[in-house]
Amino acid sequence: ETGVTQSPTHLIKTRGQQVTLRCSSQSGHNTVSWYQQALGQGPQFIFQYYREEENGRGNFPPRFSGLQFPNYSSELNVNALELDDSALYLCASSPGGVGTDTQYFGPGTRLTVL
Amino acid sequence: QQQVKQSPQSLIVQKGGISIINCAYENTAFDYFPWYQQFPGKGPALLIAIRPDVSEKKEGRFTISFNKSAKQFSLHIMDSQPGDSATYFCAASNFNKFYFGSGTKLNVKP
Repeated sequence: ETGVTQSPTHLIKTRGQQVTLRCSSQSGHNTVSWYQQALGQGPQFIFQYYREEENGRGNFPPRFSGLQFPNYSSELNVNALELDDSALYLCASSPGGVGTDTQYFGPGTRLTVL
Repeated sequence: QQQVKQSPQSLIVQKGGISIINCAYENTAFDYFPWYQQFPGKGPALLIAIRPDVSEKKEGRFTISFNKSAKQFSLHIMDSQPGDSATYFCAASNFNKFYFGSGTKLNVKP
């Protein structure tokens, strides 16, 4: 177990709706990253938060947004859901700081958009 | 533009055999190269990782070989077991931003 938890496990939404996914990082981990993993593909970097500030973003539109809280929890919000948003959403935490750290992944949230 | 290219897409190995998965990257600023193992319905789990100042790292049955000049790295699984059947992802990172390969589905036959 990595100590990273995500909720909910599964979620079904309809096109145009909004969704909030939650992640609880390992205690002491200042960095959290979110990834989208489509079926049969590798995780794609959405964005990263370090000490509650966005610290880099992948090639995802602004309707993907996030928040990180002081208690090592974070959220991924997706507005105006599209069918192609159906995927496994993963969060990963790391201690943060200078350089690159090992990332520890949560089990993911499976989002289905109908 | 895919930052990390992984091959093969799928691999079938007999129990006890050696599984080899290859990855290539372009960005010379990457400074951390992990391999992840993922079972269906689960998040990726870190298997082994290497930094570019060494050419090989071994942990149990798992070995990473790293060729900095060729910008390639590979995972070798020795004495492959049916329990190793999973999807394996290579990744490359710089400043905690990770780029993943497309994955290799490994099936170890008993």
